[in-house]
Amino acid sequence: DTGVSQNPRHKITKRGQNVTFRCDPISEHNRLYWYRQTLGQGPEFLTYFQNEAQLEKSRLLSDRFSAERPKGSFSTLEIQRTEQGDSAMYLCASSPLGGRVETQYFGPGTRLLVL
Amino acid sequence: QKEVEQDPGPLSVPEGAIVSLNCTYSNSAFQYFMWYRQYSRKGPELLMYTYSSGNKEDGRFTAQVDKSSKYISLFIRDSQPSDSATYLCAMSTNMIIFGKGTRLHILP
Repeated sequence: DTGVSQNPRHKITKRGQNVTFRCDPISEHNRLYWYRQTLGQGPEFLTYFQNEAQLEKSRLLSDRFSAERPKGSFSTLEIQRTEQGDSAMYLCASSPLGGRVETQYFGPGTRLLVL
Repeated sequence: QKEVEQDPGPLSVPEGAIVSLNCTYSNSAFQYFMWYRQYSRKGPELLMYTYSSGNKEDGRFTAQVDKSSKYISLFIRDSQPSDSATYLCAMSTNMIIFGKGTRLHILP
């Protein structure tokens, strides 16, 4: 399967704990996006990388959230001191350099539940 | 007013019927208009995108954009139970803004 992959697919944690999610984009896709989707809502943009550079961050991305893409390939999203409001599906998408913003391919998501 | 408005449904139609899904938007700067399909506990899958006003057809799916009314539609002909999913409209300038999604149930 050469699509976008995300791990883990599910994560249950206790409030206050740190969690880290990983996204592996489609090979040779330079752009990588993170979104958050809560129940009954569409995905909301969090942040965007072009290669290893983080070019844009949403105001939704509080100080407790940090994303990295150290080698321009896979990316990690870390949430520190999780809160119950962080419970959501975290989606990753990738697109090729030069591709328009709408040509994003989404991964299956990581579903986070904070107890 | 939200930038993109979409009725969350649920919408239930019998198999074989024509389905009409709609969104309205407020930002005239939106350039691209997309429809995504999302099955339960899966990521969104791009169905169609269009740039200009008018119709675009792909198999049983037709996307329609009316920029003057800020209104977009997705029509599904000969609907199948496998079409049961959440359909998200989305629009973009330099980033994508999604609607809430409409849950669609095709009844066998």
